[in-house]
Amino acid sequence: GNSVTQMEGPVTLSEEAFLTINCTYTATGYPSLFWYVQYPGEGLQLLLKATKADDKGSNKGFEATYRKETTSFHLEKGSVQVSDSAVYFCALRTGNAGNMLTFGGGTRLMVKP
Amino acid sequence: GAVVSQHPSWVICKSGTSVKIECRSLDFQATTMFWYRQFPKQSLMLMATSNEGSKATYEQGVEKDKFLINHASLTLSTLTVTSAHPEDSSFYICSAHSGTSSHEQFFGPGTRLTVL
Repeated sequence: GNSVTQMEGPVTLSEEAFLTINCTYTATGYPSLFWYVQYPGEGLQLLLKATKADDKGSNKGFEATYRKETTSFHLEKGSVQVSDSAVYFCALRTGNAGNMLTFGGGTRLMVKP
Repeated sequence: GAVVSQHPSWVICKSGTSVKIECRSLDFQATTMFWYRQFPKQSLMLMATSNEGSKATYEQGVEKDKFLINHASLTLSTLTVTSAHPEDSSFYICSAHSGTSSHEQFFGPGTRLTVL
C-alpha cells in the first residue's frame, strides 16, 4: 500500500534560517507528490506539487524535488519567516487510487523572530 | 483557486445528539468530495469518499451508520455525526475535486466538533 513518512516536529527555527522537512514515501505505481500547509485554525492549502521524477515544485520560496531513486520529496526554504509558522503535510496520490490522497503525519514549524 | 466552505466552523453539542456539517464548493462543481478527520497534532485520516448521486465509500474502520454522508448535489455534501459522544470530538475537514485533469483537491477550512 501507499504510505508517507515525515520527520517529526516541532521544528523550531529563527527567522531567516534554512528549512528542510524530510519526506519519504512508498507507493505502488507512479505517484504524484504534494506539500500542503495548514495555518492555525485553517484548512489545508496546496503549497506545491510534482507529478513525475526529477520535477521540482516551487511556491512562495519553498521548493521540493521529486527524487525517485531515494523515494523522497523533501521540502526546503532558504530563509524562513515568522509567517511560515504552520503545519506542513507531505502527501501522495497514485493513479490507481483515484483522487485519494495519502498524507504523512505532518510537521509543525515554529519560526521565532 | 477554487473555494470550499464548511459550516459550521465550530460546534459544541451534548452527548447523544446529532450534528450535521456542510461542505460546499462555491465556484465549481465537485464530482467527488472527501471527508477527513484530524486529531490534535496528528495527520488527516480519510473517512469516506463521496460521489454526487451515489452512496459514499467508507474507509475501513469508519462506521457508516454513525457518520452519515450525503452528496445530493454537485456543490454540497453533508456529514452527519449521529448520537455523538465525546470520543467523536475532532476536527472534520472536507475536500472537493472538480473532476478536471488537474486532479487537485480543494480543502475546506474545517469544522471543530466538541461533544460534551
